[in-house]
Amino acid sequence: DGGITQSPKYLFRKEGQNVTLSCEQNLNHDAMYWYRQDPGQGLRLIYYSQIVNDFQKGDIAEGYSVSREKKESFPLTVTSAQKNPTAFYLCASSIVPRGQPQHFGDGTRLSIL
Amino acid sequence: AQKITQTQPGMFVQEKEAVTLDCTYDTSDPSYGLFWYKQPSSGEMIFLIYQGSYDQQNATEGRYSLNFQKARKSANLVISASQLGDSAMYFCAILLIQGAQKLVFGQGTRLTINP
Repeated sequence: DGGITQSPKYLFRKEGQNVTLSCEQNLNHDAMYWYRQDPGQGLRLIYYSQIVNDFQKGDIAEGYSVSREKKESFPLTVTSAQKNPTAFYLCASSIVPRGQPQHFGDGTRLSIL
Repeated sequence: AQKITQTQPGMFVQEKEAVTLDCTYDTSDPSYGLFWYKQPSSGEMIFLIYQGSYDQQNATEGRYSLNFQKARKSANLVISASQLGDSAMYFCAILLIQGAQKLVFGQGTRLTINP
């Protein structure tokens, strides 16, 4: 079945450590996105990519980095510069043209040790 | 910048009743799309329904319908004959058709269906 796979489901980070969240899709979608969700809140966009080897900052990109070397993969690194990383992270993808729904993975829950 | 407002933090409804979840939006762009997503306690985001700003008719998908009032900038989700499995968070989101494909989400409404 086609879909979006995020791993790991739960992740723990020590102070000063970088961690990478994986997002893989086999939907042949051009566009991919990373969102952060804090408890009781909506989703906020971290980074997005509409084509391989290109990506743009979203609304809360500070302390995060991404790469898009392959169409299927869009990993997110939470760097030590992100002082409040505890949150639920969701990856999504969509086809282009615009106006198509984004399909989401099951999310990664990141906590600080 | 576009903005979504969901004014109902929580709603409680009896099983089999219809429920309306409110969503108002703010954008100056004439071309946009409105989405509703469901988020169960397990966390995944499930796409429910889409309405384009130029669509003449209100969108429907099974038990879900969208009450789109463009002049009032509202896009309320109506769930008919609610079921226990409808208990979840519901998010309204707006996407501008021109420019970057950035979804902007509201704060969500937690819907609880009582037996």
